[in-house]
Amino acid sequence: KQEVTQIPAALSVPEGENLVLNCSFTDSAIYNLQWFRQDPGKGLTSLLLIQSSQREQTSGRLNASLDKSSGRSTLYIAASQPGDSATYLCAALLTGGGNKLTFGTGTQLKVEL
Amino acid sequence: NAGVMQNPRHLVRRRGQEARLRCSPMKGHSHVYWYRQLPEEGLKFMVYLQKENIIDESGMPKERFSAEFPKEGPSILRIQQVVRGDSAAYFCASSPGGLAGTDTQYFGPGTRLTVL
Repeated sequence: KQEVTQIPAALSVPEGENLVLNCSFTDSAIYNLQWFRQDPGKGLTSLLLIQSSQREQTSGRLNASLDKSSGRSTLYIAASQPGDSATYLCAALLTGGGNKLTFGTGTQLKVEL
Repeated sequence: NAGVMQNPRHLVRRRGQEARLRCSPMKGHSHVYWYRQLPEEGLKFMVYLQKENIIDESGMPKERFSAEFPKEGPSILRIQQVVRGDSAAYFCASSPGGLAGTDTQYFGPGTRLTVL
């Protein structure tokens, strides 16, 4: 059974700091790994999707990496801003598991002025 | 192109009542997924449907929960005789279908169910 863990559960940083969010998964047989952002009381916004054959993806100040063999993904946020404050979720899509995403419990990020 | 739409956005029910949650997929999408987010927990897969077919319901509670995606109209997640433990955010996602692993899911804003 695939388990996805995110560390830390919560993080508070001053504005401008670079930060790394971690995601680990127990089953390396994945199609892809996706990072989402969730604002309080809102839905999910897809940030980056990394296919299993890829090592990283970049979008603006965000960079996500994937190391399938070690079961890890990281989301790097450069020059953090208060508007980045949200919960960040990673989700793995297993091969042979149908098309269901397995989510981590999230990292709640607060970027302070 | 409108995104995935869910209604209602907020739903309050008393214990024992029925809850019906609706999901309209993105235009051109024929696959729908339901996920549940309990308080202080991550999103958990519930069910995966294509038009008129349930493909995977491995995450659905055995009793009181059902889902459908008719040929016409939205997908419906139905919870009968709700209990307080059903209070959660229910998210719907849709995808166009395609090769496994390349079929990206797009999420709706969710329905927040509160059971009194």
